[in-house]
Amino acid sequence: IAGITQAPTSQILAAGRRMTLRCTQDMRHNAMYWYRQDLGLGLRLIHYSNTAGTTGKGEVPDGYSVSRANTDDFPLTLASAVPSQTSVYFCASSDSRYNSPLHFGNGTRLTVT
Amino acid sequence: QKEVEQNSGPLSVPEGAIASLNCTYSDRGSQSFFWYRQYSGKSPELIMSIYSNGDKEDGRFTAQLNKASQYVSLLIRDSQPSDSATYLCAVRDSNYQLIWGAGTKLIIKP
Repeated sequence: IAGITQAPTSQILAAGRRMTLRCTQDMRHNAMYWYRQDLGLGLRLIHYSNTAGTTGKGEVPDGYSVSRANTDDFPLTLASAVPSQTSVYFCASSDSRYNSPLHFGNGTRLTVT
Repeated sequence: QKEVEQNSGPLSVPEGAIASLNCTYSDRGSQSFFWYRQYSGKSPELIMSIYSNGDKEDGRFTAQLNKASQYVSLLIRDSQPSDSATYLCAVRDSNYQLIWGAGTKLIIKP
């Protein structure tokens, strides 16, 4: 079934540790996104990529990095996790047409202790 | 700053009634509008997209767009308990950025 796969589903991480959240899509979408969602704050864009080889910063990029080596994969790395990065992380993709909606993965629930 | 505003709710509607969810946006150049449903603990799921003024119907759902007044709404007819969720409005602005509302929590009471 075509879609977006995120891994892991959930993770408890000690502060200061490095963590990579994985995201893979098989829809051949050009654009990919990482959001975090916190209670009362809605969806906030962390980083995005309009096409393979390019990335951009969203609303809350500090403490996170991304790479886009190919069309399908868009990993999000926390170099040194802090408790404020406790959140639910969603990866999403869309094709490059202006009117295209986003399709979301199932999310990763991350707790930093 | 470009904004998308939604009433946070909760909006409580009796089963079988019409639920009306509203969203306003600030960027007059916006062209694409989306409604997503998000169940608790799940990811957002696309329900409707609308691009032209007027109504767009899909089953029990109708999206309404009024660009002059800068609002978009979602009507759910014959509301069911399974419609209880948070509904997110998203707008692609004139810079191609997708701006999200904070969502309206809808509760359908049996």
